[in-house]
Amino acid sequence: KQEVTQIPAALSVPEGENLVLNCSFTDSAIYNLQWFRQDPGKGLTSLLLIQSSQREQTSGRLNASLDKSSGRSTLYIAASQPGDSATYLCAVSKAAGNKLTFGGGTRVLVKP
Amino acid sequence: GAGVSQSPRYKVAKRGQDVALRCDPISGHVSLFWYQQALGQGPEFLTYFQNEAQLDKSGLPSDRFFAERPEGSVSTLKIQRTQQEDSAVYLCASSFLPSGSRDEQFFGPGTRLTVL
Repeated sequence: KQEVTQIPAALSVPEGENLVLNCSFTDSAIYNLQWFRQDPGKGLTSLLLIQSSQREQTSGRLNASLDKSSGRSTLYIAASQPGDSATYLCAVSKAAGNKLTFGGGTRVLVKP
Repeated sequence: GAGVSQSPRYKVAKRGQDVALRCDPISGHVSLFWYQQALGQGPEFLTYFQNEAQLDKSGLPSDRFFAERPEGSVSTLKIQRTQQEDSAVYLCASSFLPSGSRDEQFFGPGTRLTVL
């Protein structure tokens, strides 16, 4: 059974510092990995999707890497801003059209 | 067009009541998923539809939970005889799913269910 872990569960940084969020998964046979952002009381916003054949994806200040063989992904957020404060979730799927298995999330606070 | 929509956004039910939660996926999306998110945790899979066919219902916690998507678009998640442990946010997601696609899932805002 796939298990996804995100460490740390919570993170507080001063504005301007780079953020590094970790995600690990136990079964390396994945189809893709998605990173999401969730604001309090809201749904999930997709940030980046990395297919199993890819090593990384970038969007603006966000960069996500994938090391499938070691079961790890890292989300980097450069030059953090208070607006980046949210919970970040990673999730993996086993095949196309398959369910997502989520980690518990990392709650991020960026202090002005 | 619009993203995934869900209604109601908030639902308060007395223990023992039946509730129905609605999901409108993105137009043309073949796949539809329901997830349950307890406070402070990541979402957990409940059930999956491809068009009108329910292909996976392994995550439904009990036979009080029932989902349908009769015409392959709108879906309804029904919970009978609600219990306090059913209190959670129920999230719906859809994806396009042609062969070889990225299969990115897009989520709605969720329905927050509180059972008193």
